[in-house]
Amino acid sequence: NAGVMQNPRHLVRRRGQEARLRCSPMKGHSHVYWYRQLPEEGLKFMVYLQKENIIDESGMPKERFSAEFPKEGPSILRIQQVVRGDSAAYFCASSPRLAELQETQYFGPGTRLLVL
Amino acid sequence: GQQVMQIPQYQHVQEGEDFTTYCNSSTTLSNIQWYKQRPGGHPVFLIQLVKSGEVKKQKRLTFQFGEAKKNSSLHITATQTTDVGTYFCAGLKFGGSYQLTFGKGTKLSVIP
Repeated sequence: NAGVMQNPRHLVRRRGQEARLRCSPMKGHSHVYWYRQLPEEGLKFMVYLQKENIIDESGMPKERFSAEFPKEGPSILRIQQVVRGDSAAYFCASSPRLAELQETQYFGPGTRLLVL
Repeated sequence: GQQVMQIPQYQHVQEGEDFTTYCNSSTTLSNIQWYKQRPGGHPVFLIQLVKSGEVKKQKRLTFQFGEAKKNSSLHITATQTTDVGTYFCAGLKFGGSYQLTFGKGTKLSVIP
């Protein structure tokens, strides 16, 4: 059973470009979470999605950031017009059902974004 | 908003010594989870605590959840070099949204 998959693992962008990060949840998981981790910091929640629905985006910056989880295909985290402060590791996690039902979130290997 | 504080931020121990990291939440938690992240790696789930006062053990690791469900600890007995990494606690708020709030982590170094 393949784990959570993320690609690319490393992404370099120049300021002003767009970054697209992809996440394929574990088989059978329909809930996806995105987190951002700055160097030497903990993970900060960004957004929680189910198929075709954004459930909680309270951690997402209001501008330039968007996320989707279409009916078919991976979840996408999109950052438009990247700035140096966007440089971080972005982790995706998935779970089979609601976290409030005490289900574990399984993390992918992350995408390390570097903005030049 | 909910905050999860974790101390210490760094801990250096001699191999064979014990290690403890502490986690405190500003609000009552539904459950608390512990993760380990190796340098350059991703968080790996260790355990989940749900009940007030719960204690769980995994070999040399002991996890506790406070009676008020606002604090937790992870204790490692007789550390080994394979224990190196950053240990994060993450709390799920009672009655709140589905997001996990992570502490900043405790980075453990083990000197052989």
